[in-house]
Amino acid sequence: KNQVEQSPQSLIILEGKNCTLQCNYTVSPFSNLRWYKQDTGRGPVSLTIMTFSENTKSNGRYTATLDADTKQSSLHITASQLSDSASYICVVIGGYQKVTFGIGTKLQVIP
Amino acid sequence: DAGVIQSPRHEVTEMGQEVTLRCKPISGHNSLFWYRQTMMRGLELLIYFNNNVPIDDSGMPEDRFSAKMPNASFSTLKIQPSEPRDSAVYFCASSLGSGMASGERTDTQYFGPGTRLTVL
Repeated sequence: KNQVEQSPQSLIILEGKNCTLQCNYTVSPFSNLRWYKQDTGRGPVSLTIMTFSENTKSNGRYTATLDADTKQSSLHITASQLSDSASYICVVIGGYQKVTFGIGTKLQVIP
Repeated sequence: DAGVIQSPRHEVTEMGQEVTLRCKPISGHNSLFWYRQTMMRGLELLIYFNNNVPIDDSGMPEDRFSAKMPNASFSTLKIQPSEPRDSAVYFCASSLGSGMASGERTDTQYFGPGTRLTVL
């Protein structure tokens, strides 16, 4: 069964600190992996899309990594800001464009 | 650009009533997606269209749900009859590309603000 597991479920960090969110998946075959940021009460916003051949992709202070062999991805946030407080959702697109969502990691950045 | 527009933003209805959610995608985008989000199940893809044609509706929960895209600038998601378990936030998204498999930047999906549906 295709699954996407994210950890931790929630995280609290101090402003200015770095953090890393994890995404493990069992989706096969694999097409691409996406990270979204979702602020409370709003729609998700795309951060990165990574295909099988891409190991790293950055979007400002967000850096996503992908290890297709171990089926793991991470999202690293550098120098966190209060506006980074949100849910971060990992999504894996498999064969025949089947979509499997992670449940998300809720990040809270405190002053 | 106004982004993806959804209406209404909030809908409260009684069980058994028909509900219609509306979406206007970003102009020029070729694909449109309907999602549902709940606390228990997270995000789920219900259906998506490419060039106004439904490509995959395997996520539609049951026959009570139907979606149409009569033209490139408008789509509806209808629930008839509605049930309390349909309560959720429904998102519409659009992308320039033809689907999700390429992983190219054209596959980037832009989400609307969502419609919060409450069925009493």
